[in-house]
Amino acid sequence: DARVTQTPRDKVTEMGQEVTMRCQPILGHNTVFWYRQTMMQGLELLAYFRNRAPLDDSGMPKDRFSAEMPDATLATLKIQPSEPRDSAVYFCASSGDRGFGYTFGSGTRLTVV
Amino acid sequence: GQQLNQSPQSMFIQEGEDVSMNCTSSSIFNTWLWYKQDPGEGPVLLIALYKAGELTSNGRLTAQFGITRKDSFLNISASIPSDVGIYFCAGLNYGGSQGNLIFGKGTKLSVKP
Repeated sequence: DARVTQTPRDKVTEMGQEVTMRCQPILGHNTVFWYRQTMMQGLELLAYFRNRAPLDDSGMPKDRFSAEMPDATLATLKIQPSEPRDSAVYFCASSGDRGFGYTFGSGTRLTVV
Repeated sequence: GQQLNQSPQSMFIQEGEDVSMNCTSSSIFNTWLWYKQDPGEGPVLLIALYKAGELTSNGRLTAQFGITRKDSFLNISASIPSDVGIYFCAGLNYGGSQGNLIFGKGTKLSVKP
């Protein structure tokens, strides 16, 4: 059963620390998305990649967030420095060529204290 | 930007009752998707709709893609306790640099046994 794997599952960190979240997309999927979910804003797109190239990162605060795909099996989302308002659940999703039927990972629950 | 208005925000129903929720947008979409999210997990795709007017069923779930391409509804018949969760609609326009899902804020469903 193909799945998107995200690590860590939970992360508690102090304000100012660097946070790195990792995602392993489904093998063969060429589009990878990072979403953030909060009670107030719901699911927001932060960035997405197609064939490892960044296509849209307009939803991401550029001063502290960065997203990369070092290779086809790994996507990373970094926050440096982290702030309490970054506390949320971060989801990675991947899809194939047609771009629909996204498969989501189980998320990383980030708490910045 | 594009926004989806999903209603109702929450529903409390008795087991066995039918459920209906809908999603509207000020702009058109080429694809409508319905997802369900269980606590602590990522959204899981329930139904995908690709053509205006399309009516699709998946077990007790039925969804329709509105003729105007600006709305969609999801019905759940004879609800059961495991239907509890948050249901999201999502619209997609695939092509060019686009290809990301726009999500509604969700409908939280509670089912009383």
